[in-house]
Amino acid sequence: QQPVQSPQAVILREGEDAVINCSSSKALYSVHWYRQKHGEAPVFLMILLKGGEQKGHEKISASFNEKKQQSSLYLTASQLSYSGTYFCGTETRGSTLGRLYFGRGTQLTVWP
Amino acid sequence: EPEVTQTPSHQVTQMGQEVILRCVPISNHLYFYWYRQILGQKVEFLVSFYNNEISEKSEIFDDQFSVERPDGSNFTLKIRSTKLEDSAMYFCAYQGYNEQFFGPGTRLTVL
Repeated sequence: QQPVQSPQAVILREGEDAVINCSSSKALYSVHWYRQKHGEAPVFLMILLKGGEQKGHEKISASFNEKKQQSSLYLTASQLSYSGTYFCGTETRGSTLGRLYFGRGTQLTVWP
Repeated sequence: EPEVTQTPSHQVTQMGQEVILRCVPISNHLYFYWYRQILGQKVEFLVSFYNNEISEKSEIFDDQFSVERPDGSNFTLKIRSTKLEDSAMYFCAYQGYNEQFFGPGTRLTVL
């Protein structure tokens, strides 16, 4: 039930854009996005609850295609502070609500 | 600032020893979770806890693990007989409205 994230790693120059994808073989109830910096806890970014939902947080936004069981995280005009590992966590229909299955993460590195 | 604190921040123990990891909520939350993260790997669900009872546990959460809320406040994860492969970061998380927020974690090192 683990979602699949792609790409595994992204290297950007400051100001460039990136897209991180998360897909599941199971029907999804929600998708949660987190960023984790080395040695720290995952930090909640946003949650998408409805198919077609899009959300934004500063220059980071996400979409949720419920039919395709996919979500994408969009980082625009990346900043140095965006560096870290991004995880998607999914709640799947049929599982206990609240139980999150996490992908393996996408390591994002932003260079000046 | 996270609304949970976790103690200790780092625990070193010998294989076979018991460890107790603590999560202390600052506000009243009903739903809690324990996750673990082996170094460099993904976050893995261990157990969910609602209203002082286990709601769900994963395949990882075997008989060596237990959770309690002994005084209605602190929330503990006990590993009875630690193994080398238990070395990981252990995160307590609490449920907001729909979101989950992670505590700072405890790094467990089993020698």
